[in-house]
Amino acid sequence: NAGVTQTPKFRVLKTGQSMTLLCAQDMNHEYMYWYRQDPGMGLRLIHYSVGEGTTAKGEVPDGYNVSRLKKQNFLLGLESAAPSQTSVYFCASSSGGHETQYFGPGTRLLVL
Amino acid sequence: AQTVTQSQPEMSVQEAETVTLSCTYDTSESDYYLFWYKQPPSRQMILVIRQEAYKQQNATENRFSVNFQKAAKSFSLKISDSQLGDAAMYFCAYIYDDMRFGAGTRLTVKP
Repeated sequence: NAGVTQTPKFRVLKTGQSMTLLCAQDMNHEYMYWYRQDPGMGLRLIHYSVGEGTTAKGEVPDGYNVSRLKKQNFLLGLESAAPSQTSVYFCASSSGGHETQYFGPGTRLLVL
Repeated sequence: AQTVTQSQPEMSVQEAETVTLSCTYDTSESDYYLFWYKQPPSRQMILVIRQEAYKQQNATENRFSVNFQKAAKSFSLKISDSQLGDAAMYFCAYIYDDMRFGAGTRLTVKP
């Protein structure tokens, strides 16, 4: 039982490049989330999903897109990376909207 | 919009002593949930404790307990018998529609 996994662990991008971060969970959770963590600001919600095929915007969605084609996977895409998107990205999942969220180990992204 | 405030950027405690981390939040809702998460240097986010707002009884988990004051919108975390492994960033979080986190408190434990 791996819980929540994220790939890659670290990535360097040039401004304007695109990439996709993959999140996978094996707990059969309905809800999945993408957060970014910046120094001094805690975690902020980018997008979330309440079930397969659904997505919704969080607090800071601009510049990101997501997809939930399979229940166990939640993808975060950056179409044209900007230096402001340099951050640590966390994926999480939960069995319900008010239930405990279980987090992945994070992906560190550096945009030059 | 709901906001979560942790007014102590850094705290330190002597090993085996007790420390309290503060958290306040702003909401107009009555049914919501509050959490404390721990983030050690490994960066992994680990749930410490969870509190349902409709429950008056304060949540406890071994050495960790909360003081939940709903009217004051306060949710502090008390760590008793502090251990070296408690050293980490601690984040307070509120959830109603979506989860909002505070900026965190860095806890140092001195041997």
